[in-house]
Amino acid sequence: QQPVQSPQAVILREGEDAVINCSSSKALYSVHWYRQKHGEAPIFLMILLKGGEQKGHDKISASFNEKKQQSSLYLTASQLSYSGTYFCGTEAGAGGTSYGKLTFGQGTILTVHP
Amino acid sequence: EAQVTQNPRYLITVTGKKLTVTCSQNMNHEYMSWYRQDPGLGLRQIYYSMNVEVTDKGDVPEGYKVSRKEKRNFPLILESPSPNQTSLYFCASSSGQGASYGYTFGSGTRLTVV
Repeated sequence: QQPVQSPQAVILREGEDAVINCSSSKALYSVHWYRQKHGEAPIFLMILLKGGEQKGHDKISASFNEKKQQSSLYLTASQLSYSGTYFCGTEAGAGGTSYGKLTFGQGTILTVHP
Repeated sequence: EAQVTQNPRYLITVTGKKLTVTCSQNMNHEYMSWYRQDPGLGLRQIYYSMNVEVTDKGDVPEGYKVSRKEKRNFPLILESPSPNQTSLYFCASSSGQGASYGYTFGSGTRLTVV
């Protein structure tokens, strides 16, 4: 089952912040985040393993709440280059072992205007 | 340069004519996967492989075949393509066991079946 992302689309002005959420009905082993520009391949941003960790990558960070089976991507002080479609990918597993199958959400379209 | 190479980039074919989309990675990755991307549906996994001679079905395997005879190659075979297989296809690879590492995606193959 695909994870559910929200919102489906976000429009920002440069410098504004945004949060993209990803939730799953299955117990998660890890959550991936990717960004895809129009006509290009998805680019890996970060991975979060179960344990409630939070990661950062420049002004983009993410959290993973394994109890709620949810992850959130935080984009701070957005730049024009942040525009694109953001996908979360969820990986199921148990007992510290991955099942080896990565399922993506339907995507969130982020548009940043000057 | 570390990369995943897919060929062809664009392909128009007729219903029922067998075709193969090739995928090759030069990063010695164990894990490889095929996805199709359709508007509003995100990336859906077709097949994945955790190592040579080990393949498993993803979420939408019907009408597709794969093989993993060598570590670097993971071709996608459509034995009898139909118009509902018109889509954008991505091959991806990652290192390590399972999918607990970020994926590197190929540039994509846009397939049209008429």
